[in-house]
Amino acid sequence: DIQMTQSPSTLSASVGDRVTITCRASQNINSWVAWYQQKLGKAPKLLIYKASNLESGVPSRFSGSGSGTEFTLTITSLQPDDFATYYCQQYFSYWTFGQGTKVDIK
Amino acid sequence: QVQLQESGPRLVKPSETLSLTCSISGGSISNYYWTWIRQPPGKGLEWIGYIQNSGSSKFNPSLKSRVTISVDTSKNQFSLMLRSVTAADTAVYFCARPMTPDQTDGFDVWGLGTMVTDSS
Repeated sequence: DIQMTQSPSTLSASVGDRVTITCRASQNINSWVAWYQQKLGKAPKLLIYKASNLESGVPSRFSGSGSGTEFTLTITSLQPDDFATYYCQQYFSYWTFGQGTKVDIK
Repeated sequence: QVQLQESGPRLVKPSETLSLTCSISGGSISNYYWTWIRQPPGKGLEWIGYIQNSGSSKFNPSLKSRVTISVDTSKNQFSLMLRSVTAADTAVYFCARPMTPDQTDGFDVWGLGTMVTDSS
């Protein structure tokens, strides 16, 4: 099984901050990574696919990068609507999710 | 626009079988990997398994011995059965669809999710 190790587990930030979340895969997964945003009581929302491709309708302040085993989600200027939990996911071999990063108000 | 809706009992007795159905609207049950994912309260997401319209399926090895996923193309539905339920199976269960047919991909379509609780 491919493991996805996400960090940090919690991140406190202010509106306007630049936020970076990291995910490390247990083996080379090329660029087969997606990122999701999940708000309380809702289904996850796809933000990024294939490591760096922005899903349609997602604001351009979200970006993804990386390949191989190291991946990053960046929010360039945090907005009030962005306080949520974020998950990485590999789909090189079926699907595995990271443990999640909760972004809360500093 | 394709939409998914989970349905089924919200309470399941220990050792019994959890059964959920996902109804697809706004599109046909074509060549996608129709998937079940779950999320225990306060925890992360776990892939359970998928089925294709052909009936071909794959499961998470950690659940494989207890899971069956079936498809009914005439009703545009697919279903999950999880046997021998324990408290550890209490979770929100989502059905979802990857972006691209016939391959693993990010999930761009999700159901709202349904909370299933072990009745113990």
